[in-house]
Amino acid sequence: DVKVTQSSRYLVKRTGEKVFLECVQDMDHENMFWYRQDPGLGLRLIYFSYDVKMKEKGDIPEGYSVSREKKERFSLILESASTNQTSMYLCASRSPGQGLGGPQHFGDGTRLSIL
Amino acid sequence: AQTVTQSQPEMSVQEAETVTLSCTYDTSESDYYLFWYKQPPSRQMILVIRQEAYKQQNATENRFSVNFQKAAKSFSLKISDSQLGDAAMYFCAYRSALGNEKLTFGTGTRLTIIP
Repeated sequence: DVKVTQSSRYLVKRTGEKVFLECVQDMDHENMFWYRQDPGLGLRLIYFSYDVKMKEKGDIPEGYSVSREKKERFSLILESASTNQTSMYLCASRSPGQGLGGPQHFGDGTRLSIL
Repeated sequence: AQTVTQSQPEMSVQEAETVTLSCTYDTSESDYYLFWYKQPPSRQMILVIRQEAYKQQNATENRFSVNFQKAAKSFSLKISDSQLGDAAMYFCAYRSALGNEKLTFGTGTRLTIIP
């Protein structure tokens, strides 16, 4: 089974801090994604990556950056955390080899609170 | 841009009964994929069922089936013989067959199973 592991289930940080959310997948997937999930808004794509050192903006990239130095690891960075970034963050991965209908595989999520 | 609408924030069903979750979408494309994802209280999102727009036959996976109405841009999920383990948030998602890997999600429906 595909395993997508997010480093923290719960995280509490302060306004202005630089925050790193880490995600690791063990299936050699090329594509990785970061979403945030908010009640009433569903999942919204922040950034995604097709390959090492490649990244593309999603729908809500403002205030975030990403890093993909190794194929299995995709990091989400909040450069200067703000209270409106309090949310659930979900990481996912996928292999294009699964075909266009192949699923994304999700981690358990990180519930981030910015105080 | 594509949009996905789930008009039922919450639904409930008696155990062993059948329930239908609604999803509509808006797109100008003719080829695309539609998905239903399930997010149980433990929070890991998993794929329930998928449908390719070019396939007229409705997808079925055990107790889960879809009613795909392409002209109406409707993609509902039917759960038969509901079980306690079906309790979850259900998200409808759209993916274009062209371009990038982006999934567009609806806002979700929380399904409660009444014993």
